[in-house]
Amino acid sequence: SQQGEEDPQALSIQEGENATMNCSYKTSINNLQWYRQNSGRGLVHLILIRSNEREKHSGRLRVTLDTSKKSSSLLITASRAADTASYFCATNTGTASKLTFGTGTRLQVTL
Amino acid sequence: ETGVTQTPRHLVMGMTNKKSLKCEQHLGHNAMYWYKQSAKKPLELMFVYNFKEQTENNSVPSRFSPECPNSSHLFLHLHTLQPEDSALYLCASTRGTADSEQFFGPGTRLTVL
Repeated sequence: SQQGEEDPQALSIQEGENATMNCSYKTSINNLQWYRQNSGRGLVHLILIRSNEREKHSGRLRVTLDTSKKSSSLLITASRAADTASYFCATNTGTASKLTFGTGTRLQVTL
Repeated sequence: ETGVTQTPRHLVMGMTNKKSLKCEQHLGHNAMYWYKQSAKKPLELMFVYNFKEQTENNSVPSRFSPECPNSSHLFLHLHTLQPEDSALYLCASTRGTADSEQFFGPGTRLTVL
């Protein structure tokens, strides 16, 4: 069954604006990871947040995790056209490094 | 470059053909994965290998046959596929621990006619 679901499915913003994507999941997790995928390419790891962490930053990325609500958000600040991609959350439930991915949010950043 | 390469990048095959997808990682990782990505569906985990041993087969039809001769190489042998098997096939590798990030290859775009 699908573990992660991203919301919204698609997001269109202008360059310089912030983009927020949300992810909800169903079961207890060990960690949650966000990945980015440019069209037709492989996924690239962005950030990992562990179940005992609430917030993490990496450059223009900010990730929050609320285990009580089983949800996470990814904020991209001061977006650029190059941020145009699909963004996926993936959950690890502690079984080695197996991940379960959501359906993704397609972000379009226009000039 | 993520350190994971996949060949071929594009493949068109008929339903009676036999072909193989290849994945190689240059990261010294212990675990390798095959995923299938179809339009508007979540990434589907197909197979997991740890130290060359298959540790997961996610109810994948037998027309997909994986092979892992060593920790750096992973193959997916294809035979008598169906048009609905057309998808992007992604290979990934990790150190194998629970807090490992996955490193993905660029994928093979497969079209079954």
